[in-house]
Amino acid sequence: NAGVTQTPKFQVLKTGQSMTLQCAQDMNHEYMSWYRQDPGMGLRLIHYSVGAGITDQGEVPNGYNVSRSTTEDFPLRLLSAAPSQTSVYFCASSKSTGDNYGYTFGSGTRLTVV
Amino acid sequence: TQLLEQSPQFLSIQEGENLTVYCNSSSVFSSLQWYRQEPGEGPVLLVTVVTGGEVKKLKRLTFQFGDARKDSSLHITAAQPGDTGLYLCAGDQTGANNLFFGTGTRLTVIP
Repeated sequence: NAGVTQTPKFQVLKTGQSMTLQCAQDMNHEYMSWYRQDPGMGLRLIHYSVGAGITDQGEVPNGYNVSRSTTEDFPLRLLSAAPSQTSVYFCASSKSTGDNYGYTFGSGTRLTVV
Repeated sequence: TQLLEQSPQFLSIQEGENLTVYCNSSSVFSSLQWYRQEPGEGPVLLVTVVTGGEVKKLKRLTFQFGDARKDSSLHITAAQPGDTGLYLCAGDQTGANNLFFGTGTRLTVIP
């Protein structure tokens, strides 16, 4: 099925470990983004990309890196995991930014850092 | 700073009742979107409103965008257990490259 695919679904890390959360979309969407969702905080933007080769920081970028080498893929890297990064992470894509372009979300990665 | 405030945060009602969820801001948005999120899944887009005063209906759900484009509401008529979920509003501002999400309203419809 067309859409946004995130892997893994669940992950437990030890403090200081690194890992990459994968995100792929097959809708030829130019815009992709990463959010984290925490209780009472809503969805907060980590990083986003408006096209291949272009990335920018969102509201909470510290501790995370991204790259966009292809239109389809937008991985999120945790450099040195901290307990504060325990959260549910969502990748989203959109045809473009601006009016009428709704986001398509993946099903999320639940990350626990111990 | 939260650009979009949603109320109520939690809502538990009986099947068949009506309800309204509010999304308010002091900022102007070029469009506003509503999403529903079920446990273990990502948010799913319900509707986008783009014109001040616009009203859109999706079966039993009615969405309204405020005249000043600063607020929106979602009204559900005769709620059903399948309406249970987290409802999120999200605003788009001209020139911004991302959506601003509200904190959400968690709705439970009891059979």
